[in-house]
Amino acid sequence: DVKVTQSSRYLVKRTGEKVFLECVQDMDHENMFWYRQDPGLGLRLIYFSYDVKMKEKGDIPEGYSVSREKKERFSLILESASTNQTSMYLCASSRDSYNEQFFGPGTRLTVL
Amino acid sequence: KQEVTQIPAALSVPEGENLVLNCSFTDSAIYNLQWFRQDPGKGLTSLLLIQSSQREQTSGRLNASLDKSSGRSTLYIAASQPGDSATYLCAVRKAAGNKLTFGGGTRVLVKP
Repeated sequence: DVKVTQSSRYLVKRTGEKVFLECVQDMDHENMFWYRQDPGLGLRLIYFSYDVKMKEKGDIPEGYSVSREKKERFSLILESASTNQTSMYLCASSRDSYNEQFFGPGTRLTVL
Repeated sequence: KQEVTQIPAALSVPEGENLVLNCSFTDSAIYNLQWFRQDPGKGLTSLLLIQSSQREQTSGRLNASLDKSSGRSTLYIAASQPGDSATYLCAVRKAAGNKLTFGGGTRVLVKP
């Protein structure tokens, strides 16, 4: 079974802090994704990566950056957290561009 | 721009009834469509992936159909159980590329 894990289930940070969200998958998947999910707005893609050190912007990349130094790990970075980044963050991975995406349990981030 | 709609937003049925969940999309040039389940506060669980060349896909009590030309997919859940209570999301993948576009989900309650 594919396993996607995220470093924290719940996180509370202050405005202006730098925040790191980590995601690890154990199935040697090429592609990894970061989404945020908000009531009424659904899931929106922030960034994705199709290979180590490769990344592409999704629909809402502003205020975020990502890092993929190893194949199994994909980090989402909030350089200076703001209250409008309070959300549920979901990581996903897939074997390649066209196969199923498998999701982690999510991190609920609150920025005060 | 692809838009994915799921109507109704919420559904309540008595235990034992069959569930019919709808997903419609505006651009028929899709590569595949994926159905997910999400429990409150949790990540997404992949249920079925149906390729654009397929008409349907089955897994246990679940059956997903796809009519690309009319931009519709339907998820059938036979003999519903209280444990089927969750939000069900569909997502479509473009013919070229990685991105999934998600619908808003249908929240299902199966009453014992």
